[in-house]
Amino acid sequence: DTGVSQNPRHKITKRGQNVTFRCDPISEHNRLYWYRQTLGQGPEFLTYFQNEAQLEKSRLLSDRFSAERPKGSFSTLEIQRTEQGDSAMYLCASPPDPLAGGRDTQYFGPGTRLTVL
Amino acid sequence: AQSVTQLGSHVSVSEGALVLLRCNYSSSVPPYLFWYVQYPNQGLQLLLKYTSAATLVKGINGFEAEFKKSETSFHLTKPSAHMSDAAEYFCAVMVWGNNDMRFGAGTRLTVKP
Repeated sequence: DTGVSQNPRHKITKRGQNVTFRCDPISEHNRLYWYRQTLGQGPEFLTYFQNEAQLEKSRLLSDRFSAERPKGSFSTLEIQRTEQGDSAMYLCASPPDPLAGGRDTQYFGPGTRLTVL
Repeated sequence: AQSVTQLGSHVSVSEGALVLLRCNYSSSVPPYLFWYVQYPNQGLQLLLKYTSAATLVKGINGFEAEFKKSETSFHLTKPSAHMSDAAEYFCAVMVWGNNDMRFGAGTRLTVKP
């Protein structure tokens, strides 16, 4: 257990529906990352938060995707008008504060597996 | 941009045999390198990391990896495979100052009794 939790663990939805995932990072970690992992592939970077500020977004994050971290603690990832190609594992990661010396390690949550029918 | 290539999408070894999972990196600046393990329907667990200190890095569960700059490699090894080592293994690279970690496609390790 890395201390990063994600909910739900599994989500099955119909094409066109909206879905929202939640990530609760390790409490003292300011940074939070979202990754997407499709079957047979490694995780791909989606977006990154420093506290409540979303500092970087991958080109993989289309307009249907939005992520928030309103209070600098938990984060949500919403996908609107889901498509079958959105089916994947969505992983959240929380690295330690670089000033605390742990700048280089990502601690991953268990992921949310999305299946779009 | 930095990247990693994992050679072999599937490796099969017998229990007690040497495990060797290959990873080559590409980076224009000194990288940080990582190996993660993923069990079915779970997130990624850090096995070990190289952050420009010792080139031979020891991790959890008896795994180790050696950073070889001349070969741009960071192969993962374990002297004796155990059934519980069966999982997906991912090599990853990060460059300090960038905000994302780049992963390889993964190598599925099967351990035969």
